Amino acid sequence: NAGVMQNPRHLVRRRGQEARLRCSPMKGHSHVYWYRQLPEEGLKFMVYLQKENIIDESGMPKERFSAEFPKEGPSILRIQQVVRGDSAAYFCASSPPTGENTGELFFGEGSRLTVL
Amino acid sequence: GQQLNQSPQSMFIQEGEDVSMNCTSSSIFNTWLWYKQDPGEGPVLLIALYKAGELTSNGRLTAQFGITRKDSFLNISASIPSDVGIYFCAGHPGGYNKLIFGAGTRLAVHP
Repeated sequence: NAGVMQNPRHLVRRRGQEARLRCSPMKGHSHVYWYRQLPEEGLKFMVYLQKENIIDESGMPKERFSAEFPKEGPSILRIQQVVRGDSAAYFCASSPPTGENTGELFFGEGSRLTVL
Repeated sequence: GQQLNQSPQSMFIQEGEDVSMNCTSSSIFNTWLWYKQDPGEGPVLLIALYKAGELTSNGRLTAQFGITRKDSFLNISASIPSDVGIYFCAGHPGGYNKLIFGAGTRLAVHP
């Protein structure tokens, strides 16, 4: 069952360290979305990527956060110099490369970041 | 920015009861979607609604896309323990899949 694969599932970092979260989309999907879920809240859009292109990063904090989706390999969400407020669940979702954007996203199980 | 108001925030019900939750928005959406999130997991799509006024069922779940395109509801009939989880509404304004999520309805079912 080649669903959206995220790793690590859990990550603990100390303030000032870097966090790298990885996402492999479903087989045949070339569009990747990253969402963040703070405790007791809904998901908030961060960034939309296609292979080698960032399409929309309007939900990404201006500093310390970056994302990429290289030609080969998984998509990476990178958080530099983490702070306690970065503690959250980060979900990756993918959709197929069709002309119709139906809103239907396939989510991974998430990466839960805890910043000490 | 666009926001969704989802209610209720939480519900505690007895097994066998029916459940209703809804979402409203100040903006129009092209598509309304309902997702369920189990503890420690990612959201899973339950129902997608594409036309104003559309009523769609998926087993014990029924959802409707409001006529004004600014609201949607989800009903669960004859609840069972595995219905426990967080239910999220999401609006799709059009274009690529940049969804706006509600804050969720947390459902607890007592046997």
